Amino acid sequence: SQQGEEDPQALSIQEGENATMNCSYKTSINNLQWYRQNSGRGLVHLILIRSNEREKHSGRLRVTLDTSKKSSSLLITASRAADTASYFCATDPGNSGNTPLVFGKGTRLSVIA
Amino acid sequence: NAGVTQTPKFQVLKTGQSMTLQCAQDMNHEYMSWYRQDPGMGLRLIHYSVGAGITDQGEVPNGYNVSRSTTEDFPLRLLSAAPSQTSVYFCASRNRGSSYNSPLHFGNGTRLTVT
Repeated sequence: SQQGEEDPQALSIQEGENATMNCSYKTSINNLQWYRQNSGRGLVHLILIRSNEREKHSGRLRVTLDTSKKSSSLLITASRAADTASYFCATDPGNSGNTPLVFGKGTRLSVIA
Repeated sequence: NAGVTQTPKFQVLKTGQSMTLQCAQDMNHEYMSWYRQDPGMGLRLIHYSVGAGITDQGEVPNGYNVSRSTTEDFPLRLLSAAPSQTSVYFCASRNRGSSYNSPLHFGNGTRLTVT
């Protein structure tokens, strides 16, 4: 069963605006990861946040994690048309690299030029 | 490095036919996995492997077989294709050890249609 649930399912914004996507999950995790999928392609890893971290930045990406609420958010600042894609959160229950990641259903982001 | 390579990119099968989806990685990753992606369902895990000779079932294993005879290859076999197996299939791999440094690397998928 799905561990992560992204919200909203779809998001449409103008170029230059910020985009925020949320992820909620059910069980304890070791880390949470965000992935991006362009149409017709495989997923690409964006950023990983550990369970003992609250916030992480990478370029225009900002991820927060609230383990007490079992939720995470991905913020993309100053969005560009090239950011149009689906975004998935994935939870990792282990710390050995042996445990499967469990993906949510994704948020479809459209950035209009 | 080619990364994770999946073949074929597209396949059409008739109900009852069998086929093998190929997945190969050249990053010496011990962990490999298969997901299927359906509209509105996200990615669901079919099978995974933590090393050569070791496989385990995921969330939706019925109708699929896997084997892992080498570190590089992790083929997915459809035994008797059904229309419910129409989907996009993704293979993904990562390093074992600390998962903090081992995100999943995905192939570009195989789009399978069963008529």
